[in-house]
Amino acid sequence: GAVVSQHPSWVICKSGTSVKIECRSLDFQATTMFWYRQFPKQSLMLMATSNEGSKATYEQGVEKDKFLINHASLTLSTLTVTSAHPEDSSFYICSAPQRSGELFFGEGSRLTVL
Amino acid sequence: QKEVEQDPGPLSVPEGAIVSLNCTYSNSAFQYFMWYRQYSRKGPELLMYTYSSGNKEDGRFTAQVDKSSKYISLFIRDSQPSDSATYLCAMNFGGNEKLTFGTGTRLTIIP
Repeated sequence: GAVVSQHPSWVICKSGTSVKIECRSLDFQATTMFWYRQFPKQSLMLMATSNEGSKATYEQGVEKDKFLINHASLTLSTLTVTSAHPEDSSFYICSAPQRSGELFFGEGSRLTVL
Repeated sequence: QKEVEQDPGPLSVPEGAIVSLNCTYSNSAFQYFMWYRQYSRKGPELLMYTYSSGNKEDGRFTAQVDKSSKYISLFIRDSQPSDSATYLCAMNFGGNEKLTFGTGTRLTIIP
C-alpha cells in the first residue's frame, strides 16, 4: 500500500512552546490531507482538512490559531501546535487519500507537554 | 444517534476461530467503506476498501457490504494472535471526502 510518513513519532516539550509535526506522502501526490487527534482507547477525531495551496478547513470546536496547518506542497502537510499546554498532549495522526480514494494513515505522533 | 455504530467490545476469541466485526450506519449517501486495523500507539492500517454491495476477499479477510441494510462486516478466518488489535470501520461519500469512523472494536485472539 501507499506510504504516509509522519515525523516526529514522539515529542516531549515544555508548556508554552510550539511543536511542528510533518506529514508526507512518499509515493503519491495528495492535494488533501487530514489531521486527526486520538485520545487513549478512543476513536479518531478529525481536526482539520489540509488543502494544498489554500487554507485548511477546521472542524467545529478546533482552534485554528492553536493548531496551525500548512500544506506546502503536494506531498507535505504540517501541523504546528502553538503555545502547547498539557491538555494538548495526545496522539496526532495524519492521513492522505490516493487518487483511487483509498485513505492511508501515517504512523502517528505522540505529543507530551510537560 | 451516531452516524456510524460499532460495538466497542472487547471481543476475545480463541486462535483459529472466525471473527465477525460489524458496523451499521444511518446515512445512505455513504459510498465507500473501509476497514482499518490499529495496533496500540500506531496509526491505522488499511485492510479493506470497498465500494459496492457484496463481498471482497483478501487473504484471510473478507469485507461484506449491504447497502440496503446499511450494514458492513469484516470477517477474519483462521484468526492469529497477531490479529489482536482495534478494528475500525470507516466510510465516506467518495473521492477526497473525510472519513466517518466507528468507535472501533478491540479484538484479542487467545493462543
